Amino acid sequence: ETGVTQTPRHLVMGMTNKKSLKCEQHLGHNAMYWYKQSAKKPLELMFVYNFKEQTENNSVPSRFSPECPNSSHLFLHLHTLQPEDSALYLCASSQEGAEAYNEQFFGPGTRLTVL
Amino acid sequence: GQNIDQPTEMTATEGAIVQINCTYQTSGFNGLFWYQQHAGEAPTFLSYNVLDGLEEKGRFSSFLSRSKGYSYLLLKELQMKDSASYLCAAMDSNYQLIWGAGTKLIIKP
Repeated sequence: ETGVTQTPRHLVMGMTNKKSLKCEQHLGHNAMYWYKQSAKKPLELMFVYNFKEQTENNSVPSRFSPECPNSSHLFLHLHTLQPEDSALYLCASSQEGAEAYNEQFFGPGTRLTVL
Repeated sequence: GQNIDQPTEMTATEGAIVQINCTYQTSGFNGLFWYQQHAGEAPTFLSYNVLDGLEEKGRFSSFLSRSKGYSYLLLKELQMKDSASYLCAAMDSNYQLIWGAGTKLIIKP
């Protein structure tokens, strides 16, 4: 247990569906991150929230929409995804904001399959 | 561009020692991280190096050479539970982590 939880753990969706991934951290951290992990590829940083403000969007397609209502919760809303979006989506948090040395704590991920 | 290189897969024997290498090229440098990730689980932090030299933490040690853009993770007295992927990540001048693709370590009895 890392103190970061993600739901659901597995998700299968069609290309026309709308779904949301949820992340919650119980560590009192100030920065939260969404990553995409595909087989045999490096982790791809998608979004960064620093003190609830989005500070990074690494050219992610608009079919992925993040939301951070407070410093403990992070959502990733999914809409009209493509099969190539199938991957493990990892959430992470770090203590002192994203603009400093920080160990990141990861959740177990959501395994997403787009049919 | 920014890049991290590490071997895709390594095999070692239980009780032995294995060294996983990582080379990096980043815009600025604020340290090198190693994470362990068991299949289907979250990556978990192993070590952080920002100064040259060897940091020892139990059976695991991590080394950094900033001038060479090189790090390694050394695992001693290997156990079956050490079978996992090991992720190398360098922090650039913007404090963003640049990740390698991971090294899958297979431990054989």
